[in-house]
Amino acid sequence: AQTVTQSQPEMSVQEAETVTLSCTYDTSESNYYLFWYKQPPSRQMILVIRQEAYKQQNATENRFSVNFQKAAKSFSLKISDSQLGDTAMYFCAFRNFGNEKLTFGTGTRLTIIP
Amino acid sequence: KAGVTQTPRYLIKTRGQQVTLSCSPISGHRSVSWYQQTPGQGLQFLFEYFSETQRNKGNFPGRFSGRQFSNSRSEMNVSTLELGDSALYLCASSLYGVDTGELFFGEGSRLTVL
Repeated sequence: AQTVTQSQPEMSVQEAETVTLSCTYDTSESNYYLFWYKQPPSRQMILVIRQEAYKQQNATENRFSVNFQKAAKSFSLKISDSQLGDTAMYFCAFRNFGNEKLTFGTGTRLTIIP
Repeated sequence: KAGVTQTPRYLIKTRGQQVTLSCSPISGHRSVSWYQQTPGQGLQFLFEYFSETQRNKGNFPGRFSGRQFSNSRSEMNVSTLELGDSALYLCASSLYGVDTGELFFGEGSRLTVL
């Protein structure tokens, strides 16, 4: 069974700074997806960024980028130039190819301080 | 394009009652998944439906059931409610076949069991 671990329950950072959220996972599969989802206080889960395991290049989406280390089974999220709207719970998630089930980590509550 | 719509948004039930939650996926999406979110257990996968067939099921008792209709709308039902069923129930839809890897979530149905 796959597991996803987020070791930072809470983090806070000053506005405009850079913050990195950690995630590790465990799987015996070779083809899978990894995701970071954001859940603001309004509660709708929003996809931040995704990474296909077969791609060596790290995914980036504007201010969001990942550091994907497949051998180490690590998938961290870097948020650059953080903004107040980045305040949210961030969940790391895993999904096998051909399977719609997402396995989530326990989440990191990120607070951006003005 | 309308997003994933869940109804009702909030509901209060008493122990022993049953509840039905509804989810309308994004137009064209054929896969619908359900997740339970609680402070203690985090986000847990309930089940996934595709073309009216349940393809995956999580580790929940038989009191939790679901179905999908020909228009891809889905319902989940919880019978004989227990206090521990109080949670946010999230529905997610995706385009299976294109396999983009992305799930789109609704805002959830907040169930309180008294």
